[in-house]
Order: sequence, then C-alpha cells, then structure tokens
Amino acid sequence: DAKTTQPPSMDCAEGRAANLPCNHSTISGNEYVYWYRQIHSQGPQYIIHGLKNNETNEMASLIITEDRKSSTLILPHATLRDTAVYYCIVRSIGGSYIPTFGRGTSLIVHP
Amino acid sequence: GAVVSQHPSRVICKSGTSVKIECRSLDFQATTMFWYRQFPKQSLMLMATSNEGSKATYEQGVEKDKFLINHASLTLSTLTVTSAHPEDSSFYICSANKAQNNSPLHFGNGTRLTVT
Repeated sequence: DAKTTQPPSMDCAEGRAANLPCNHSTISGNEYVYWYRQIHSQGPQYIIHGLKNNETNEMASLIITEDRKSSTLILPHATLRDTAVYYCIVRSIGGSYIPTFGRGTSLIVHP
Repeated sequence: GAVVSQHPSRVICKSGTSVKIECRSLDFQATTMFWYRQFPKQSLMLMATSNEGSKATYEQGVEKDKFLINHASLTLSTLTVTSAHPEDSSFYICSANKAQNNSPLHFGNGTRLTVT
C-alpha cells in the first residue's frame, strides 16, 4: 500500500473549519484513501474514505485531488471535542491488507 | 454501525504473570483482526494479524511465543501477554473489518496494560 505524509501538528479555532492535508503521491488506481482519528487514550475512530470523488458524511468531507496524489479532510465547524490525532491511510482493495499507521496529524482545537 | 468491544479496558499485573485481552466484533463477522501496540506519544504499531481458524501472522520483531493470539471464532480474538515485564506496559488496541472489500477498520477502545 502507498505511503502517506501528513503535517505533524495543526491548530484551529473552535467553530472554524479544520483542513487537514495528506500527501499520497504513490497511490495507485485501486487504492482508497481512509481517514481515522484517535482521541487521547481511546481506540481510533473511522471518519471517512474515498476513491476519487469527493465524499461527505455527518462527520467530515473528503476532498481528493484530480490526480489523487493528495487529499484534504475537512471538519467544517471544529469543536473542542475534535482535538485528536488524525491518520490518513491508503489501502488497496482485494488481496491481503496490512493496515499500518504513520504518525498522523495532531489537531488541537482551541477556544 | 459496526462495533468492536475490547476487554478489559485497563489491567495492572505483576511481573511474570500473564494477561489475556479479548476483542469481539459485536454485530459482524471478522475473519481477520489486527492487534496493535501504542507507546506514549507514538503511533499505532501493528503487532500481528489474527486469522480465524489459522495461525496468526506476526510482524517482524514481535515474539510469537510471548504474545499469543487465538482467533477461534468469527467474532472473537484474544491476545495473551505471557510472562509480562514492565517493558510490556503499553496501550494495546485491536481492530477488525467486515468481509466487504472497502469496509473500514473498526477499533476497540484499547487496553491499558501496566506491569509492576
């Protein structure tokens, strides 16, 4: 599976949009982009995933560039409870899957 | 949504004893579950892949005789830390995904192990 690169940390004011970038320049055609987050001392939580079209659910939006080499997770109105480490993972569909995590982005939402 | 239950949430044990951690998929069948270990301020490190009905696949550097994994049913995998030492103190997390091709991983809430 392709590797991903994320900034180590970001901060955002409460109520504003949080835009978290992820680079996955070696992504291949059958690989999805998944986002998870981990709040301190809890297990990770699935947020959203996509292949090439932009996706939106009740938690976030995922914007994938046309060349699919990068993506952005958008939390439209960040709250203090969104403070967490956000992980971007690329995963191929079919065959064996070994889910590994990079260091992610530590997002701090401040009042 | 899919739920993975992990038990216990925290455990304190004495050096030399063994500790069993359970991971259950509550509303779906998981042929594959994954076990991770996480040290403070670090990312999740994959320890092993647990396959129902067969032996687990361990990542390089993880001792299979120390971290025993059993995946006897489609909804339960267990990790036993044998002869625990203080350096085994960590946050252990399991995950599972449904059989569908692009289904996401679902994680347990982790087990905080402290070995004294």
